[in-house]
Amino acid sequence: ELKVEQNPLFLSMQEGKNYTIYCNYSTTSDRLYWYRQDPGKSLESLFVLLSNGAVKQEGRLMASLDTKARLSTLHITAAVHDLSATYFCAVFGAGSYQLTFGKGTKLSVIP
Amino acid sequence: KAGVTQTPRYLIKTRGQQVTLSCSPISGHRSVSWYQQTPGQGLQFLFEYFSETQRNKGNFPGRFSGRQFSNSRSEMNVSTLELGDSALYLCASSLLGLGVTDTQYFGPGTRLTVL
Repeated sequence: ELKVEQNPLFLSMQEGKNYTIYCNYSTTSDRLYWYRQDPGKSLESLFVLLSNGAVKQEGRLMASLDTKARLSTLHITAAVHDLSATYFCAVFGAGSYQLTFGKGTKLSVIP
Repeated sequence: KAGVTQTPRYLIKTRGQQVTLSCSPISGHRSVSWYQQTPGQGLQFLFEYFSETQRNKGNFPGRFSGRQFSNSRSEMNVSTLELGDSALYLCASSLLGLGVTDTQYFGPGTRLTVL
């Protein structure tokens, strides 16, 4: 059974600082997704990572995938308050045809 | 371009009843996927439909079913409702579906409460 672990689950950071959210998964996969959810809102798709070494960047967010280590990172550069949200990673299990989500990282950026 | 719409937005049902939720994807999108979000279990994948065929399925009992029509609109049905089915149900549409470099666009969700 595919397990997806995100850490930290809660992150409070000051504006202007850098930080990284980690997403570990337990079985082989080459498809990983990152999503953002604002309080009381729906999900917003951020990145789709499809191969080992894939790196994608959008604004202050950069996501990478290491399939050998079964690890994806979401790096936040010079955080701003608008980035406050819950971030989820989700992994598509090879052969299982299921998408499994992490528990989410609640990010609070303090001015 | 209109976004993904879900109807109804809010629904209250009692145990044992059944419910049908609807999702209209962005025009031209052929994939619709469904998700359940609860405080206890978090986000869980229900299923994905592509061109009227169920392509992927999560670990949910047979009470949860879905279908997709030729215009790509999708419905999700839950029969014999249980208290634990109370959740936010999200659908997402995309052009090519899960597993490719394809952005998913989410609807606002349907909040189901089972009493």
